[in-house]
Amino acid sequence: DTEVTQTPKHLVMGMTNKKSLKCEQHMGHRAMYWYKQKAKKPPELMFVYSYEKLSINESVPSRFSPECPNSSLLNLHLHALQPEDSALYLCASSQGAEQGRYEQYFGPGTRLTVT
Amino acid sequence: GQNIDQPTEMTATEGAIVQINCTYQTSGFNGLFWYQQHAGEAPTFLSYNVLDGLEEKGRFSSFLSRSKGYSYLLLKELQMKDSASYLCAAPTRDIGYNKLIFGAGTRLAVHP
Repeated sequence: DTEVTQTPKHLVMGMTNKKSLKCEQHMGHRAMYWYKQKAKKPPELMFVYSYEKLSINESVPSRFSPECPNSSLLNLHLHALQPEDSALYLCASSQGAEQGRYEQYFGPGTRLTVT
Repeated sequence: GQNIDQPTEMTATEGAIVQINCTYQTSGFNGLFWYQQHAGEAPTFLSYNVLDGLEEKGRFSSFLSRSKGYSYLLLKELQMKDSASYLCAAPTRDIGYNKLIFGAGTRLAVHP
């Protein structure tokens, strides 16, 4: 089973709203990722958690706040977003480089629209 | 610097064979990935090459030459459903290889 689940599938939010994106995997993977993807562009890395600790923050604005409550769950808290933040947000997981395994498995994504 | 290059768009005919090329420069080589992404959907893992040579998986094959910094994805017996973007990616030594660098993606259109 290589399934990563994400909720919600679609989200429309105003610039003053607070919302959260959720991601879950039950593959025992120890690395989890958030990506942002605009149309016709490759995924753009935002955050990496390794063993439940934040290991990479790609200079993402503070209006995006990641959280890793446990090894299976990853959240992305959104607050005061801008219309240009509208994109497909992808979660991914992998066994992790520490295990010598680098392939990442992606969830279906959340299509976010900021109005 | 670190860079992955692949053609932006390709077209092919149903039933034909198409080869999508990728050249890369990364800090510390630890293999090369190919992902398929249909429009509006998540990338799905196709292949991972770490040793030189061709790896075949059904209609899809992937080739790697580490000395040339070159890979290709070969799709045989093309079907309409193969119309998608194909992403070449490599783990980078930055932060211990947990980060993938992606190419811009090759949009493949398969015509009847």
